[in-house]
Amino acid sequence: AQTVTQSQPEMSVQEAETVTLSCTYDTSENNYYLFWYKQPPSRQMILVIRQEAYKQQNATENRFSVNFQKAAKSFSLKISDSQLGDTAMYFCAFMKDNAGNMLTFGGGTRLMVKP
Amino acid sequence: DGGITQSPKYLFRKEGQNVTLSCEQNLNHDAMYWYRQDPGQGLRLIYYSQIVNDFQKGDIAEGYSVSREKKESFPLTVTSAQKNPTAFYLCASSGITYEQYFGPGTRLTVT
Repeated sequence: AQTVTQSQPEMSVQEAETVTLSCTYDTSENNYYLFWYKQPPSRQMILVIRQEAYKQQNATENRFSVNFQKAAKSFSLKISDSQLGDTAMYFCAFMKDNAGNMLTFGGGTRLMVKP
Repeated sequence: DGGITQSPKYLFRKEGQNVTLSCEQNLNHDAMYWYRQDPGQGLRLIYYSQIVNDFQKGDIAEGYSVSREKKESFPLTVTSAQKNPTAFYLCASSGITYEQYFGPGTRLTVT
């Protein structure tokens, strides 16, 4: 079974600064997908960024980028130029390839962006 | 607008009663999922369905039941056998790509 660990229960960052959220996972699979989801106070889950394990290039989406280290089984999220609207819970999630698209979630990191 | 709807947003029930949570999608997605979220925790998979008239148990299926009679709909019933039903319930769907898209959730409180 896969496990996903987010070791930082809470983090804070000043507006306009950069913050990195950590995620590690455990799997014996070679092909898989990794995701970061954002859950603001409204509790709607929003997909932030995804990474295919077979791709060496780190994914980027505007101010969001990842540092994917396959050998280390690490998948951190970097948020640049933090904005107040980035305040939310962030969840890292793992999906095996050809496994019904089922997600395994980490426990989450609560991020507070301070003005 | 395409998307996933869940109703109601808040639901209150007495202990011992079954309750059904609605999930509808108009994204033409084949797969649908139900997750449970407890305070301060991540999401755990209850049931999933990859095609109409077929569904599988997830990690915490005990005390829950589902049906998938239509592609658009995947209702979840929380039965009286579920020991701790108070939680936030999220429905999701996915299509030919692998991303899951989530509904707004239903907060169920059982007293």
